Amino acid sequence: GNSVTQMEGPVTLSEEAFLTINCTYTATGYPSLFWYVQYPGEGLQLLLKATKADDKGSNKGFEATYRKETTSFHLEKGSVQVSDSAVYFCALSAGGWGKLQFGAGTQVVVTP
Amino acid sequence: GAVVSQHPSWVICKSGTSVKIECRSLDFQATTMFWYRQFPKQSLMLMATSNEGSKATYEQGVEKDKFLINHASLTLSTLTVTSAHPEDSSFYICSARQDRGPNEQYFGPGTRLTVT
Repeated sequence: GNSVTQMEGPVTLSEEAFLTINCTYTATGYPSLFWYVQYPGEGLQLLLKATKADDKGSNKGFEATYRKETTSFHLEKGSVQVSDSAVYFCALSAGGWGKLQFGAGTQVVVTP
Repeated sequence: GAVVSQHPSWVICKSGTSVKIECRSLDFQATTMFWYRQFPKQSLMLMATSNEGSKATYEQGVEKDKFLINHASLTLSTLTVTSAHPEDSSFYICSARQDRGPNEQYFGPGTRLTVT
């Protein structure tokens, strides 16, 4: 079946540091890939997505490239802020209805 | 735009009672809504897919008689946890998929259920 594996957290960084969160997937066919972010006390929000190989999703300084050859969708940001502290979820959608399969989530803590 | 609300945001109930959680899409129509369960420090587990006007589709291992889902309108889906037990305590999250536009899922803020 489909699955998503992402690096465990928490990841603790200083402000302006470079952030990478690794995400790999297993899926049949050609899934769409997503990164969602959950800020403390809030619901999940779509951060970015990519629907086919080599697509790059980007938003709010975050980027992720759909790599079919390595089945990966790593999230990166060049300079994090304290406000980026949140839990980040990698997810895929394959097949009908748009059902999402989530990774375990990675907590990111950015300190001033 | 694309706001999803859940009510209540938290609820405490006694073992054996039933609890209903509402999920509403406030400014868009959603033929399809999804219900997830999130355990502490863990990922979201899809419980069921709710389609307006038809029976919900449950994921393997989810008891449909325990977790009753009703999607009576294009903006409202409800999850009823029947005869709740302490092991049902969890964070329940819904999402709604827009019928028009980018076809993305929008998530509610979640409902914290504690069964005593």
